[in-house]
Amino acid sequence: NAGVTQTPKFQVLKTGQSMTLQCAQDMNHEYMSWYRQDPGMGLRLIHYSVGAGITDQGEVPNGYNVSRSTTEDFPLRLLSAAPSQTSVYFCASSYMTGELFFGEGSRLTVL
Amino acid sequence: EDKVVQSPLSLVVHEGDTVTLNCSYEVTNFRSLLWYKQEKKAPTFLFMLTSSGIEKKSGRLSSILDKKELSSILNITATQTGDSAIYLCAVRGQTSGSRLTFGEGTQLTVNP
Repeated sequence: NAGVTQTPKFQVLKTGQSMTLQCAQDMNHEYMSWYRQDPGMGLRLIHYSVGAGITDQGEVPNGYNVSRSTTEDFPLRLLSAAPSQTSVYFCASSYMTGELFFGEGSRLTVL
Repeated sequence: EDKVVQSPLSLVVHEGDTVTLNCSYEVTNFRSLLWYKQEKKAPTFLFMLTSSGIEKKSGRLSSILDKKELSSILNITATQTGDSAIYLCAVRGQTSGSRLTFGEGTQLTVNP
């Protein structure tokens, strides 16, 4: 079982560039989410989804877009990268009331 | 808005010591509280506590939920260097759907 798969693991961008972080899960989880983790700030929720076609904003959604066209996939798009978006990004999924399963993380640096 | 506060933010102990990590929360219509351990990569699940399951134990780790005090503790006995990690607490409310709100985490360092 692959669980939650994120790509890429590392990415360096220049300010203003766009990119997509991919996330896929094979556990048939309804709920998927994206977090960013910065030193001293724990995990902050960016966007989440409770099923295909349904997405909603978390605590820090500005500068990010998501879509959920299938149960398995939940990509995160950075529209115009800024240095403040330098962070480690985690995709996570779960059943609606269960434990959250995390991907291995994507380290993004914006120059 | 849901809120989670963990203390201490960092802790350094010697192998064999017992540690207690704290988590306090504010959430509308509490549903569950979860503990995670994070080493170099992704957080890994430790425990989930609910109104029907307020105590959990696994080996040297145990956790208790105090719904009256809106808090939880994570105890680690006979600590080992492999326990060095960030410990994260998160809460889920009935009205927030499946959203989990995380605290800042406690950085635990266990020295030999």
